Parts: sequence; C-alpha cells; structure tokens
Amino acid sequence: KAGVTQTPRYLIKTRGQQVTLSCSPISGHRSVSWYQQTPGQGLQFLFEYFSETQRNKGNFPGRFSGRQFSNSRSEMNVSTLELGDSALYLCASREPGELFFGEGSRLTVL
Amino acid sequence: EDKVVQSPLSLVVHEGDTVTLNCSYEVTNFRSLLWYKQEKKAPTFLFMLTSSGIEKKSGRLSSILDKKELFSILNITATQTGDSAVYLCAVEAYTDKLIFGTGTRLQVFP
Repeated sequence: KAGVTQTPRYLIKTRGQQVTLSCSPISGHRSVSWYQQTPGQGLQFLFEYFSETQRNKGNFPGRFSGRQFSNSRSEMNVSTLELGDSALYLCASREPGELFFGEGSRLTVL
Repeated sequence: EDKVVQSPLSLVVHEGDTVTLNCSYEVTNFRSLLWYKQEKKAPTFLFMLTSSGIEKKSGRLSSILDKKELFSILNITATQTGDSAVYLCAVEAYTDKLIFGTGTRLQVFP
C-alpha cells in the first residue's frame, strides 16, 4: 500500500507570491490533515478535510486555504506569502487512532 | 484553549543513558494520546495510549498515561545514537481534533 505522497518536496518563492501544495493520502483514507512545522512553534494544525468537507480548522489567517477532491487528494494554498510562512508543511492521512504523515513540502519564502 | 506541553524542550545524553520525556495536556473530550518520533522527515508513529496506567512497550521504548493527572511519559532505556530525534506528543479529542506539543529534541552522543 503506498504511503502519503506530498508534492512538491521543496520549493522557493518570494514574498507576495502564492503557492499550492498537494497531498495524496493512503488509499482508502478519507481524512487529510495539514500541519505547519517551524523550529520555534512546532507542529501547528492548519485544517482537516473529510469527504471533501473541512471538518476542523486551526488558527491561521485566511491566506491559508485548502480543499479536498472526490478521490481524497487534497491541496492547500497560501496566498500573499510572507517570510514567516517558511516552514515544513506536513500532510497526514488519517483513520481513527492512526495518523500517517507524508514527507512534507519544505517552503522557503525569500 | 486546548494545549499540549512537552518537557524538556531539549535533552543531550550519552549512549546507554535512560531518558524520560514528559507530555502534559489540557484537552476537552480527550480520546487518546499519541507519541511520534521525527528524524529528518515525516514523524513516525510510536504509541497510542487511551487508558490510564497501562504501559505500552516496544523494545527499549515504553510509555504510560495518567488520565487523572493529565500527563504521559515516554521512557527510552539504554539510549543509542539512532534514538536522536524530535519526539512529538499529540492528543486526539472526540471532536477528531489533534493537538501537538512542540516536541522534545533528544541528542544522544557516543
């Protein structure tokens, strides 16, 4: 069974640009969660999608958005990038009691 | 507000030492507590704890939960350099919300 796949793995953007990250969950998993990880703040929850609906949302500004498609693949978008958005963005595929992480997308904002 | 606090933030030990990592939480509608190990990439699952006082063990790692005092500990005996990682604690609520602590960075030197 394939694991959680995130693309791209690395990307560099400049302030003001926007970025879209993609996550394909483990086959059969309908829940996808997104996290931002920075050295100072640890893992912070962005949002969770289940069957194409946002189920939970963290405390991030509206520049951070996401969606989930009918095949459970999910995308997150960050608009008007700021330097502080530089982080590792982790996606997790989830079933009750189990959470499997992808390798992450490392975003650097210059 | 729900929160998960891990201590210490950082720990440096020599091979062979025993370490204890702490995780305390204040989360409404607690369902389970999870421990993850993160080396350079995606966090990998270690334990899930749902009941107080029942130790979970995997090789040199063990963990226990105290639901009355709202904390968990992760013990690693006879540490090895390969144990060097960030150890993450997360609490899952019945709302399906998952809250992570900031992690404990463990460095094991030969």
